[in-house]
Amino acid sequence: QKEVEQNSGPLSVPEGAIASLNCTYSDRGSQSFFWYRQYSGKSPELIMFIYSNGDKEDGRFTAQLNKASQYVSLLIRDSQPSDSATYLCAVRAAGNKLTFGGGTRVLVKP
Amino acid sequence: DVKVTQSSRYLVKRTGEKVFLECVQDMDHENMFWYRQDPGLGLRLIYFSYDVKMKEKGDIPEGYSVSREKKERFSLILESASTNQTSMYLCASSPRGVWGEQYFGPGTRLTVT
Repeated sequence: QKEVEQNSGPLSVPEGAIASLNCTYSDRGSQSFFWYRQYSGKSPELIMFIYSNGDKEDGRFTAQLNKASQYVSLLIRDSQPSDSATYLCAVRAAGNKLTFGGGTRVLVKP
Repeated sequence: DVKVTQSSRYLVKRTGEKVFLECVQDMDHENMFWYRQDPGLGLRLIYFSYDVKMKEKGDIPEGYSVSREKKERFSLILESASTNQTSMYLCASSPRGVWGEQYFGPGTRLTVT
C-alpha cells in the first residue's frame, strides 16, 4: 500500500464547475499536508498547505483535512482552463521529509 | 523571488559513466532536496541536506551520493549510471525549519543509454 494515495485521473471538469481532488495517507502521525500544482513539462509549485482539521480557503482553492479519516482534499471553485494540471498531494509525517502521492491530472474543458 | 537553477535541462549519458547534477539556489535556504520523478511512481526523495556538509538519505538513496560544500549548491552524483536511473531529477530548497514549503528547480531530464 502506498503511503499517500491519489486517483491518477484524468478528472475532467467543465469550466466554471468545482473540481474535487482527494488524497488519503497511511501514517496516522502525519502532521502537515500540502498541495502542489504541476503543469505539463514544468516543476511543482506549492499552492496550499493545511495543518489542522477543517477547511482552509485561499482564493478559489479550499483544502480540507480530516485526520481521523486520514483524508485530505482540494477543491477548486470556478475551474478555469488554466487550472488544467497535475495536482500532487504531499504529507509530512515524522522526520523532515515529504512523501508525495502520484498526482491527479485535472482537465478543465471550456 | 526564490530561484532554484539546475545545471542542465537535458542530459544523455552512457551506462557506467559518473554523472554530476548541480543545483543552485539564491535565497539563502538551509534545506535542499533531490527528487526523481517517474510516471506512475510520483516524486521520490533521494537525499536531502539541512546544512553545509550535512546530508540525510531519503527513500531511494541507492546508487546515488550527494555533496554540499557551499550553502547555495547541492550536487547529486550517480557513481556509475545505469539505465534504471533514466528519469526526471528535481532539486528543491526551503528555509530552515520549513520542510513542506519547497521551491523546485526546472528539472534535469537524464537519459542513460
